Amino acid sequence: GAVVSQHPSRVICKSGTSVKIECRSLDFQATTMFWYRQFPKKSLMLMATSNEGSKATYEQGVEKDKFLINHASLTLSTLTVTSAHPEDSSFYICSAERTPETDTQYFGPGTRLTVL
Amino acid sequence: AQSVTQPDIHITVSEGASLELRCNYSYGATPYLFWYVQSPGQGLQLLLKYFSGDTLVQGIKGFEAEFKRSQSSFNLRKPSVHWSDAAEYFCAVDLSSGGYQKVTFGTGTKLQVIP
Repeated sequence: GAVVSQHPSRVICKSGTSVKIECRSLDFQATTMFWYRQFPKKSLMLMATSNEGSKATYEQGVEKDKFLINHASLTLSTLTVTSAHPEDSSFYICSAERTPETDTQYFGPGTRLTVL
Repeated sequence: AQSVTQPDIHITVSEGASLELRCNYSYGATPYLFWYVQSPGQGLQLLLKYFSGDTLVQGIKGFEAEFKRSQSSFNLRKPSVHWSDAAEYFCAVDLSSGGYQKVTFGTGTKLQVIP
């Protein structure tokens, strides 16, 4: 158990458009989900913590108006990159805590975003 | 601030040889410690975790890790590496106890396995 999916796995978009990435916990409920960004040859950087039914908590330096997070249900969180630019190109990974556990995150396979 | 160091960026081992990946952290208290593996194009898979108790932790795929408080280390080991172990390995720490707040990842160690 504890499977997390992301959709799409890969997306290419034009500069100025918005892209939505979905993160789903397939076989468990997740009150809390996390969004990370992974840069080439670097580690994962936490972008925000998403709690079901409330506003996300963003890390310092992450633009909340640019990276919109919605966690409308216990199995789905979405990250929308608004007005994407080439510098937003990256590998975005989500993770989820299996409610009521709070000590382990289960990671999705990631979404490769390329902005032309 | 939390910090996690994986001093080896890239390691190459022969198939069948033993493996040790290093991880050091810097905190005052004992954090929760994790090792994850990321295969090319894949998400992170949890190999093992340490919260408390026995300092030698067994994980999946034949991996184990030992927490050494005196050295602030949590090194990952495997006695005999398989070609399928080629991947990137991340050490991670979470200082909060009983609740998940922020996990800090190391920069990763890329493992190459040669025949």
